[in-house]
Amino acid sequence: QKEVEQDPGPLSVPEGAIVSLNCTYSNSAFQYFMWYRQYSRKGPELLMYTYSSGNKEDGRFTAQVDKSSKYISLFIRDSQPSDSATYLCAMINQAGTALIFGKGTTLSVSS
Amino acid sequence: DTGVSQDPRHKITKRGQNVTFRCDPISEHNRLYWYRQTLGQGPEFLTYFQNEAQLEKSRLLSDRFSAERPKGSFSTLEIQRTEQGDSAMYLCASSLDRVSPGNTIYFGEGSWLTVV
Repeated sequence: QKEVEQDPGPLSVPEGAIVSLNCTYSNSAFQYFMWYRQYSRKGPELLMYTYSSGNKEDGRFTAQVDKSSKYISLFIRDSQPSDSATYLCAMINQAGTALIFGKGTTLSVSS
Repeated sequence: DTGVSQDPRHKITKRGQNVTFRCDPISEHNRLYWYRQTLGQGPEFLTYFQNEAQLEKSRLLSDRFSAERPKGSFSTLEIQRTEQGDSAMYLCASSLDRVSPGNTIYFGEGSWLTVV
């Protein structure tokens, strides 16, 4: 079992839909959780960063962490065609040195 | 803050040739990371530096790969005797220090390598 599991999709939704992206992890030592967005042939761009269980909101984006279930989510409200990209979850433990990434979920939002 | 910059952005090379990639991290960032990303996969950790010291290397970093960070500023990643399996995007990232609330990892645009 990989340390971080993420459904690669692809996920296709119409403009305005609510999108839910998820990752599960196996290492209970992970403390910090991040979501990166990656456009085709570009580097990952940090979207959201959380370090505790619960919700964190930033505009149309909400990151949710449930440490008891080892499950994290990213919700995108009112999705836009410009949200079409690959979304990568990433995590690290407190003493860790590098992020561990999921495979990424490819999202396509059609107008 | 000009972000993490990588050069070249694209490189096509023949199998067996050596290639070198350069990364300039965000200024004042002590930590510098190298990742590799293949199609349909998330980035995979290769190695990282704290200032000029290389502190960790992944088992993915075979002996054909060598990374340096002289003087703790820019870094180079060299691949010797390239193989077709080395074709990937090589990502550089940096952080101010160990990841913690407020200290996150920022990535460059990547260097694409195609070995033919």
